[in-house]
Amino acid sequence: AQKITQTQPGMFVQEKEAVTLDCTYDTSDPSYGLFWYKQPSSGEMIFLIYQGSYDQQNATEGRYSLNFQKARKSANLVISASQLGDSAMYFCAMREASNQAGTALIFGKGTTLSVSS
Amino acid sequence: KAGVTQTPRYLIKTRGQQVTLSCSPISGHRSVSWYQQTPGQGLQFLFEYFSETQRNKGNFPGRFSGRQFSNSRSEMNVSTLELGDSALYLCASSPRDRGASSYEQYFGPGTRLTVT
Repeated sequence: AQKITQTQPGMFVQEKEAVTLDCTYDTSDPSYGLFWYKQPSSGEMIFLIYQGSYDQQNATEGRYSLNFQKARKSANLVISASQLGDSAMYFCAMREASNQAGTALIFGKGTTLSVSS
Repeated sequence: KAGVTQTPRYLIKTRGQQVTLSCSPISGHRSVSWYQQTPGQGLQFLFEYFSETQRNKGNFPGRFSGRQFSNSRSEMNVSTLELGDSALYLCASSPRDRGASSYEQYFGPGTRLTVT
């Protein structure tokens, strides 16, 4: 069963607009972490933001915030004031604390964000 | 502090050949994980090494193997290459062992392997 679902293959926004990238997940582990990564065309995965399952507040990192709705098992990424440099593929990922795979992250299929001027 | 480095960045091989990819983690990081990224399958976990020991392996055939050295540098090897092995291979390092879910993985730029 797919554990991370990103339903938006592509999103298009204009500069300075806010954009929300959707992510839903499935786990029975009460302790887990959710991550968002950005992958520009160069290929490198860039860590953006982290949300722990026990965190009481939504995570924020500069222009990035994570809208964490635990009961709905969703962890949407919000980018405020989009910039041209935000154009990239965005991946949602999860790690379960009890995961016998150690550090292994489970990734969604990704969402391509295109920002225009 | 230098980031994760991977060599080579690009590689072209022929079916049936073998290939070795290298990854140097961030200084002080003892955990190295490898991922394969393809358009069809997305990002998939290959294996993780910690203190020279393979901690876990993803669902890949035995043609995919790896190792880690005492300085935490890691190599992965793919033998008897198939066309379907064409992918971006990403290495990631982490500062901590398993047991928690919160630590980040820092990725390298990847090695793009093309099998012809």
